[in-house]
Amino acid sequence: AQSVAQPEDQVNVAEGNPLTVKCTYSVSGNPYLFWYVQYPNRGLQFLLKYITGDNLVKGSYGFEAEFNKSQTSFHLKKPSALVSDSALYFCAVRVSGRKSGGYQKVTFGTGTKLQVIP
Amino acid sequence: EAQVTQNPRYLITVTGKKLTVTCSQNMNHEYMSWYRQDPGLGLRQIYYSMNVEVTDKGDVPEGYKVSRKEKRNFPLILESPSPNQTSLYFCASQRRLAGGETQYFGPGTRLLVL
Repeated sequence: AQSVAQPEDQVNVAEGNPLTVKCTYSVSGNPYLFWYVQYPNRGLQFLLKYITGDNLVKGSYGFEAEFNKSQTSFHLKKPSALVSDSALYFCAVRVSGRKSGGYQKVTFGTGTKLQVIP
Repeated sequence: EAQVTQNPRYLITVTGKKLTVTCSQNMNHEYMSWYRQDPGLGLRQIYYSMNVEVTDKGDVPEGYKVSRKEKRNFPLILESPSPNQTSLYFCASQRRLAGGETQYFGPGTRLLVL
């Protein structure tokens, strides 16, 4: 069974400081990894994904994430946090390859609330 | 504008009164899905559909029904809602069934069952 862990329910960071939101995963096989952001009263928005290739993935709004296969991690980072980055962040994983019946389930983490303090 | 829409956005109902939450996408996506979001549990998949007339259960299908008669629509039906179905519901779509495809989410429907 595949799983995603976001060990921190909340992360607080001062505006202008670098931020990291942690994600570790467990799958049988090669993973596809995603980060989504949810602003208050809004649906989830795609930030970035890792499919294959370069371990450092750049996404929307200046966010990036590094795929680390040995540590099974996909932490989300940003060099300088903005107050407008305050939101709920979800990591998700899907195993690559074609499963019998064609469906690969995606599993979401429980979410990390990012609070950027002015 | 490419989008996934859901209606209603907010709904208060009573136990046992059938309800339907509609979901529609204008991107000609093959794959659609319903999730519920609960504090501390993240998003859990209820049902998904790989194409018209092809649906299957996700992780938490009990108490829910779906249908996919048209490619763009994927309604979620609660035949007899119960208080444990109070939650925030999201519909999502993606272009095709491939692992690296991005999901596009609707704005959510907040349901309270009394």
